[in-house]
Amino acid sequence: EVQLVESGGTLVQPGGSLRLSCSASGFTFRSHAMHWVRQAPGKGLQFVSAISGNGGTTFYADSVKGRFTISRDNSKNTLYLQMSSLRAEDTAVYYCVKDGYDSGNIRGCYFDYWGQGTLVTVSS
Amino acid sequence: QSALTQPASVSGSPGQSIAISCTGTSSDVGSYNLVSWYQQHPGKAPKLMIYEVTKRPSGVPDRFSGSKSGNTASLTISGLQAEDEADYYCCSYAGTYYVFGTGTKVTVL
Repeated sequence: EVQLVESGGTLVQPGGSLRLSCSASGFTFRSHAMHWVRQAPGKGLQFVSAISGNGGTTFYADSVKGRFTISRDNSKNTLYLQMSSLRAEDTAVYYCVKDGYDSGNIRGCYFDYWGQGTLVTVSS
Repeated sequence: QSALTQPASVSGSPGQSIAISCTGTSSDVGSYNLVSWYQQHPGKAPKLMIYEVTKRPSGVPDRFSGSKSGNTASLTISGLQAEDEADYYCCSYAGTYYVFGTGTKVTVL
């Protein structure tokens, strides 16, 4: 059974930093691209970042480029999102998402498993 | 990276069919047959319903179907049921990023 468990969400001040983690199990982690998708309270889904199976290719939304860094440790089956220069508009539930393709490449919008999310609140 | 456009709400009676549109541009929906649809119930994580425009993951009822024409993709729910009441989001690959739709609230009357 595929499981994605996010952690690290908390209350942080504007301008602060935070690292989210996602522990994955139930599938061959290195064979799948992974993604972070967020949802602000009462709002829609927003793509944040993606990383290929070997970590060699990354995508970012313009709104987080230069402030967030996605990475993965395939030996620990763990996905990370390092967030810095946080703003109020980054307040959201952050979902860890598994890519449905097993090529490891970042390709289509095929998000087949989602974690339950971790809440990040940016406020003074 | 503008969001894809969806109607804010769609409603129908049990047993009826409804369609949700998802309009993008020639840079996203129009360029790739890589559109997917997600169902989200309140307080829950999204669930994949359709991928690659028309494909249904195992376990998704065949009442759900997808299509695309030009820059607009559509999700059709046939034989609407009470449990279909939820928010629905489309998503498209756009080459170096992904873009989601604005979301549609489906109400079963």
